[in-house]
Amino acid sequence: GAVVSQHPSWVICKSGTSVKIECRSLDFQATTMFWYRQFPKQSLMLMATSNEGSKATYEQGVEKDKFLINHASLTLSTLTVTSAHPEDSSFYICSAGQLTYEQYFGPGTRLTVT
Amino acid sequence: AQSVTQLGSHVSVSEGALVLLRCNYSSSVPPYLFWYVQYPNQGLQLLLKYTTGATLVKGINGFEAEFKKSETSFHLTKPSAHMSDAAEYFCAGKLTFGQGTILTVHP
Repeated sequence: GAVVSQHPSWVICKSGTSVKIECRSLDFQATTMFWYRQFPKQSLMLMATSNEGSKATYEQGVEKDKFLINHASLTLSTLTVTSAHPEDSSFYICSAGQLTYEQYFGPGTRLTVT
Repeated sequence: AQSVTQLGSHVSVSEGALVLLRCNYSSSVPPYLFWYVQYPNQGLQLLLKYTTGATLVKGINGFEAEFKKSETSFHLTKPSAHMSDAAEYFCAGKLTFGQGTILTVHP
């Protein structure tokens, strides 16, 4: 199956700073990538859909100015959490999608904001 | 919008016993349905998927699921549980995920 990587796997940052998370499709070109947030013992919540070369589409309730998504190439999408606060601490997961909505997931990034 | 509901946040079975994880969906259009498995500290992996065609779908590791339109269900089964099956399982629609079911397998 297709391989998707995320970097970093775990990051700790101070409140008020920004953090960038990278999502790469290693062996295929991903025109569409998705970003999810997963709270402890809860399901995945779709944050945004990222299409290569265009602006991301954010789900209702997700602050686009806080969660900046860039999909500059067919193999890389980035999520930047700006001015992070403790409530942004979570597990962030990216995936690369197919037309049939089958997704290949990255291993996730655990963000802790102190 | 499609919604997915998993019945039971925790399921515990004995090794060798039948595994049954329940999933119901809500949709007015033909669905795309998936089961994913998440092992600790790993990303989600696709177990199986239903798009069109045969309603009984076979996946990896001996799992299968049956799409039942009349019951709006897509339950995941495995005849005989292994210790290595212990993980969290997610039923999903297009971009909507169920709450997850943690499967525990005891000797």
